Amino acid sequence: NAGVTQTPKFRVLKTGQSMTLLCAQDMNHEYMYWYRQDPGMGLRLIHYSVGEGTTAKGEVPDGYNVSRLKKQNFLLGLESAAPSQTSVYFCASSYSSWLAGAETQYFGPGTRLLVL
Amino acid sequence: AQKVTQAQTEISVVEKEDVTLDCVYETRDTTYYLFWYKQPPSGELVFLIRRNSFDEQNEISGRYSWNFQKSTSSFNFTITASQVVDSAVYFCALSETTNQGGKLIFGQGTELSVKP
Repeated sequence: NAGVTQTPKFRVLKTGQSMTLLCAQDMNHEYMYWYRQDPGMGLRLIHYSVGEGTTAKGEVPDGYNVSRLKKQNFLLGLESAAPSQTSVYFCASSYSSWLAGAETQYFGPGTRLLVL
Repeated sequence: AQKVTQAQTEISVVEKEDVTLDCVYETRDTTYYLFWYKQPPSGELVFLIRRNSFDEQNEISGRYSWNFQKSTSSFNFTITASQVVDSAVYFCALSETTNQGGKLIFGQGTELSVKP
């Protein structure tokens, strides 16, 4: 049971380049999330998904797109990277619940992205 | 609006000292969940505890204990007889049940340094 995995672990991009971060979970979780972590700001939600084929915006969605074509995968895309997107990106997943917010989110190891 | 505040940015203690990490939250929901996560120097996020708003009993797990006080909107975390391995950034987070998808709102984190 690998839990939540993220690919790649580290990446350097030039401004304007594009890339896709991959998140995979093997826990059969319905919900998946993408957060970014910046110094002194905790983690902030970028996008999330409550099921295969559905996505929604979080707190800081600008400059990112996501897709959830398979239940176990959640992709985060940067179409045209900017230095402000330099951050550590975390993916998380959880079970769904009859009561939103009741389930624990489990996090991947993170992807460190540097945009020059 | 929902908010989580961890006023202590950094705390430094000597091994075997007790230390309390403060967490204050704001929410309009009557039903919500509170979480603590640990982020060791290796960078991953480790789940520590989940508490719902109807359960105000204090919880103890080994050297860790949590004090939830609804009257002061606080969910503080105490480590007894701290050890060097406790050195990490600790995050408090809130999940509101009126938010679709159970999104987490994180505090800014408290960096704990335990010196030998």
